[in-house]
Amino acid sequence: NAGVTQTPKFQVLKTGQSMTLQCAQDMNHNSMYWYRQDPGMGLRLIYYSASEGTTDKGEVPNGYNVSRLNKREFSLRLESAAPSQTSVYFCASSGGLVKETQYFGPGTRLLVL
Amino acid sequence: AQKITQTQPGMFVQEKEAVTLDCTYDTSDQSYGLFWYKQPSSGEMIFLIYQGSYDEQNATEGRYSLNFQKARKSANLVISASQLGDSAMYFCAMRESTGGFKTIFGAGTRLFVKA
Repeated sequence: NAGVTQTPKFQVLKTGQSMTLQCAQDMNHNSMYWYRQDPGMGLRLIYYSASEGTTDKGEVPNGYNVSRLNKREFSLRLESAAPSQTSVYFCASSGGLVKETQYFGPGTRLLVL
Repeated sequence: AQKITQTQPGMFVQEKEAVTLDCTYDTSDQSYGLFWYKQPSSGEMIFLIYQGSYDEQNATEGRYSLNFQKARKSANLVISASQLGDSAMYFCAMRESTGGFKTIFGAGTRLFVKA
């Protein structure tokens, strides 16, 4: 059981380049999330998707776009990377009840030069 | 607006003693859930405990308990009999039942357990 997988694990970009972070879950979860974690800070919500076909902005959506491709996959795109987007990005998923915990992927470490 | 506050950036505790990590929250929803996660230095997020807004009893999971005071909007994590392996970052999180299960996190508390 793979749970939540993220690719790539590590990426270096130059300012202005674009890239897509991939996330997939095999737990048949409805909700999926993208967070960023900067040193000394908690996880900040970028975007989330309550169900297939819906996406909503979180706390820090600027500079990002997302696609809920199907129930399994939720991708995060940086159109024009900036050094301020250097961070660790976590994808998470959860089931259909408020009380269901989130399951997290291993994270993607992104460095923007 | 949905908000989570953890005011203790770092905490020290002696091995085998109990420690309380603070968490306050703000929400206009009547139905919501509160979670605590542990993040060791390896980086993975480990679920510890959950408290629902309508739960009358404080949640407990082994050495973890949640001191839920709804009127004060606080959900403090209590770790009893601390172990060296408890040294980690601890995050409080809240999920509202409306708005697509938006879930936000606090800034975290780094716990150091001393031998």
